[in-house]
Amino acid sequence: NAGVTQTPKFQVLKTGQSMTLQCAQDMNHNSMYWYRQDPGMGLRLIYYSASEGTTDKGEVPNGYNVSRLNKREFSLRLESAAPSQTSVYFCASSTGAGSNQPQHFGDGTRLSIL
Amino acid sequence: AQSVTQPDIHITVSEGASLELRCNYSYGATPYLFWYVQSPGQGLQLLLKYFSGDTLVQGIKGFEAEFKRSQSSFNLRKPSVHWSDAAEYFCVIRSGGSYIPTFGRGTSLIVHP
Repeated sequence: NAGVTQTPKFQVLKTGQSMTLQCAQDMNHNSMYWYRQDPGMGLRLIYYSASEGTTDKGEVPNGYNVSRLNKREFSLRLESAAPSQTSVYFCASSTGAGSNQPQHFGDGTRLSIL
Repeated sequence: AQSVTQPDIHITVSEGASLELRCNYSYGATPYLFWYVQSPGQGLQLLLKYFSGDTLVQGIKGFEAEFKRSQSSFNLRKPSVHWSDAAEYFCVIRSGGSYIPTFGRGTSLIVHP
């Protein structure tokens, strides 16, 4: 009964380092999303994947890349981390457009960049 | 473009008191409507959803919400708040043909003993 699983849960990086945040869902969902959450800013969409094999930019894509590895997995990569990318990152999945079903969220990755 | 407004950034209530969190949206038709709760350090959990039918919907944890088409509102209510309800609450809308939901900025609920 895992739902959406994100790894790692916490990470501290130095400016300029790279890392990949992992996300996997076991609900056979078509669509997957990456958000960042900052105080007072709500959730902002970084990238999404409407279906396996497609990815699209969201509201704040600069400094990030994504890979939809297969239907289950959607990773987010920071190539050269910057302090402005300190945030809590959430992965979500959903059935997709045309469905009234909600998104399901992971527990988040708390990322600090020094 | 669609938008969601949660006019209250913070709300403080006493334990046992009733609660209403406001949500107004802007969209040309009736969207799918959702309320999520985020406890400290956690992800977002779905409280309830509305897409058609009875305009009063029941959710988990004793919450309910009422859809009012004339006011473009989907307010969340609870008759008696518990200390464990202290959390961030998000109102979310999505049009039927879209992959991308629109989130409100959230309302932080503080519960006094």
